[in-house]
Amino acid sequence: GQNIDQPTEMTATEGAIVQINCTYQTSGFNGLFWYQQHAGEAPTFLSYNVLDGLEEKGRFSSFLSRSKGYSYLLLKELQMKDSASYLCAVKRERYSTLTFGKGTMLLVSP
Amino acid sequence: EAQVTQNPRYLITVTGKKLTVTCSQNMNHEYMSWYRQDPGLGLRQIYYSMNVEVTDKGDVPEGYKVSRKEKRNFPLILESPSPNQTSLYFCASIATPPRGYYEQYFGPGTRLTVT
Repeated sequence: GQNIDQPTEMTATEGAIVQINCTYQTSGFNGLFWYQQHAGEAPTFLSYNVLDGLEEKGRFSSFLSRSKGYSYLLLKELQMKDSASYLCAVKRERYSTLTFGKGTMLLVSP
Repeated sequence: EAQVTQNPRYLITVTGKKLTVTCSQNMNHEYMSWYRQDPGLGLRQIYYSMNVEVTDKGDVPEGYKVSRKEKRNFPLILESPSPNQTSLYFCASIATPPRGYYEQYFGPGTRLTVT
């Protein structure tokens, strides 16, 4: 089976940096995705990692360590609009779709 | 504009009354999927489709049916809805290699209440 763990909630201050962790246990790993979801809206794609290392995209970066079954999403220069749920999702080799974690609710305060 | 559309966006219905939630994508993706999202449980896959006439069960398929007669459409059918199917439903269209790496493009969601 699969198990994806991420913290339920996090809080941070505007302008700060926050790191959201995700650990997973799965057979046949074939990529890890991060999605952002604002309340009542659809998830939107943020990043994709299939090899170890850091992928940077503007204020957002995502890191993967396949040997440790670990990823994090790093958000810099936090803005109020970054208040949202962040979903970690894993793709397995033999399957075309993703298994999602339960999401981390991030609250950015002034 | 590339998009995934769902209809209806909101629906309140009664137990046992058959309903269909439509999903359509204009990106010519072969793969599509349906999810439900419930508080504390996250996104859970109901069914997915790899191409026309090819579908398979996800993690929570009980009480649902799907069909894929055309590439662009992937309707979700609840033959006899029950209150435990009250949820927020998302359809997703999936970009596969070489045009993508399985990133999912979600529709706006359908909030269903079954009384």
